[in-house]
Formats: sequence, structure tokens, C-alpha cells
Amino acid sequence: QVQLQESGPGLVKPSETLSLTCAVSGYSISSGYFWGWIRQPPGRGLEWIGSIYHTGRTYYSPSLNSRVTISVDTSKNQFTLKMNSVTAADTAIYYCARDVGGATGAYDYWGQGTLVTVSS
Amino acid sequence: QSALTQPRSVSGSPGQSVTFSCTGTSSDIGAYNYVSWYQQHPNKVPKLLVYDVNKRPSGVPDRFSGSKSGNTASLTISGLQADDEADYYCCSYAGSYTSVVFGGGTNLTVL
Repeated sequence: QVQLQESGPGLVKPSETLSLTCAVSGYSISSGYFWGWIRQPPGRGLEWIGSIYHTGRTYYSPSLNSRVTISVDTSKNQFTLKMNSVTAADTAIYYCARDVGGATGAYDYWGQGTLVTVSS
Repeated sequence: QSALTQPRSVSGSPGQSVTFSCTGTSSDIGAYNYVSWYQQHPNKVPKLLVYDVNKRPSGVPDRFSGSKSGNTASLTISGLQADDEADYYCCSYAGSYTSVVFGGGTNLTVL
């Protein structure tokens, strides 16, 4: 059974860098599929952040592209999100997920999500 | 403002059918057959219901069906049940630059 688990600080100060890791179990990232990050501000809708393939190929949301980096570590079977210069607007539940469609937004397995609050 | 437009709310009675609309453009929904739909209950993780316009993942009942016409995608739930009350989000591939866009979500109330 495929499982994803996000981890990282729940509180980040404004202007600093948010860093989250998604550990995958039950499936080898190297076997294929794109792996993505999606966020959801409290009480609001879903927003796509970006995705990565095991080769390191990445796609990012144009609105976040300048601040976001997604990387993959196949030896640890995990991938990481880094977002710099965060503001209160980046406060959200951050989900990692597997894209069964191939970077098309068809996320079949999700992590439980982790709330990240941006505040001093 | 979300890239895809969804009505804020819809409602229906148990046993009825309801249809959700998702309007995009010729650069996303109209250009690709890569529309997905998600169901999200309060404080829960989104669940994939439909992908590639009309494919259902294993375990999703055939009461949920997807379609597309032009720049608009639709999700239909037949035989509405109380547990279907949730938020529903559409999602579309939008090309290699924009990649993926979500709708703002529609809240379903089962009367």
C-alpha cells in the first residue's frame, strides 16, 4: 500500500524558508510517476505548487516558480519542497501526493497534510 | 481567483443526480483530456474520483462519472447519498508551462 508522510516545521517566520519532506513507502519513487505538492489555505481551495519526476525533472506553478524548489532523493525514497521568502499568505495545509496521470494533476495517493503557519 | 471556475454550491436530495460544472479555457480543459475531480470531506484529505476526464480509480463507485464538452468539464453523481455531502474540486492540465490548475471548489449539500 502506497503511503506518503509530510514532515517539517509547523511554524516559519516571515521572510524565511519553508522546508518540507515527503517520505514515500510502499512504492519506489524510481519506478515512475510524478510526485507533487499541493497546498490549501485554511477554509479555502486547493492550489497546485509543483511536481517532480525521479529523474529530477520539475514543473512549478508560474505564480510560485520564483520562490519554490522541489528536489528528490531516490536513495531515501523521498522528495522535498523548499519555498523561500514566505509571508502570511503562505500559511496553509501542505500535501504531498502521487500523480498517476503523469504530471497532469491526477493525484491518487495523498499524505495526511501538514499545517504550516507563517508568523513571527 | 482560481484558474478554473466552479459554482460555489449545489444541492440535491437523496437518490437524485447532481452535476458539477467546471469552466476553463482553450488552454486547459479545452486543449487536453486531462481533467480530474476530487472529493474532500471537512478536515479530510482530498480523494481522487475521476481522472483523464472520465476514468475512475479502483474503488470509486460508478455513481461518479465525468465528461467534457469544449472548455467545460462536468462531474455527475447519481443516486445521491448523505455521505456525498462534501466539497468537490476540478483540476486540469494546462500545458508544460502552467502545468496544473484547480478550480475553486463546489460545496455539495444533500437535502
